[in-house]
Amino acid sequence: AQTVTQSQPEMSVQEAETVTLSCTYDTSESDYYLFWYKQPPSRQMILVIRQEAYKQQNATENRFSVNFQKAAKSFSLKISDSQLGDAAMYFCAYRRGDGSAGGTSYGKLTFGQGTILTVHP
Amino acid sequence: DVKVTQSSRYLVKRTGEKVFLECVQDMDHENMFWYRQDPGLGLRLIYFSYDVKMKEKGDIPEGYSVSREKKERFSLILESASTNQTSMYLCASSLGTLQETQYFGPGTRLLVL
Repeated sequence: AQTVTQSQPEMSVQEAETVTLSCTYDTSESDYYLFWYKQPPSRQMILVIRQEAYKQQNATENRFSVNFQKAAKSFSLKISDSQLGDAAMYFCAYRRGDGSAGGTSYGKLTFGQGTILTVHP
Repeated sequence: DVKVTQSSRYLVKRTGEKVFLECVQDMDHENMFWYRQDPGLGLRLIYFSYDVKMKEKGDIPEGYSVSREKKERFSLILESASTNQTSMYLCASSLGTLQETQYFGPGTRLLVL
C-alpha cells in the first residue's frame, strides 16, 4: 500500500520570504501522480499544484513550485514571496496511475498528515 | 466553477443515532468520494463511487455505508453513530478522466455525544 508522510506538523514563514514544505511517499508503482492541496481556515480544500511522475521537469504554478526527486521519493512544495493568504493547512497526496498493475484507480488519493503553515506579517 | 456542497457545516448527534451526510456536485462528475479528516492523520478515504449505484470501499469503511442513486448526489450514512466517528467529513468529486483534479466540499464537522 502507498503511504505519504509529511514530517512537519507546523511551519512558519515571514511575509515575502520563501518556505519549503516536505513530503515523502512510498510506492512500488512507476506510474503515479503527486499533488499539493491547500485547506485555508474554514474554507474549502483546493488544488495547488500537480506533478506527473513520468515528467522530469518540476511543476510550477506562479509562486508555487515543487522539487520532485523520484529516486528519493520526495515531493516538496516551495512557496516564494509568501503572502498572508498562503496561511493554511497543506496536504501532500498521491494517486496511482491507471496504467499501473491493479487497473484504474478511479482517482483515489492517499493523503499525508498535513502541515499547518503560518505566515507572519 | 465546480461546486460541491454538503448538507450541513456542523452536526451534533447522539450515540446510536442514524446519521445522513449529503453531498451534491453540479458538474456532472463521474467520481465522488467521502473522506474523514482527523488531526495528525490527514484525510482518509471512507468510500467512493465511480458511477450511479456503484460504490467501492476505501481505507476505513467500517461503520459507514453510502448511497448514490443519482449522479450528482452521494450520501454517507452512519448506521449507528459512535463517539469515535466524531470528525470532519469531506466530500469530493472528480470528472473521471486521467489526471483529474478532485474538487472538495466545505466539510461537515460531526460531533457524536
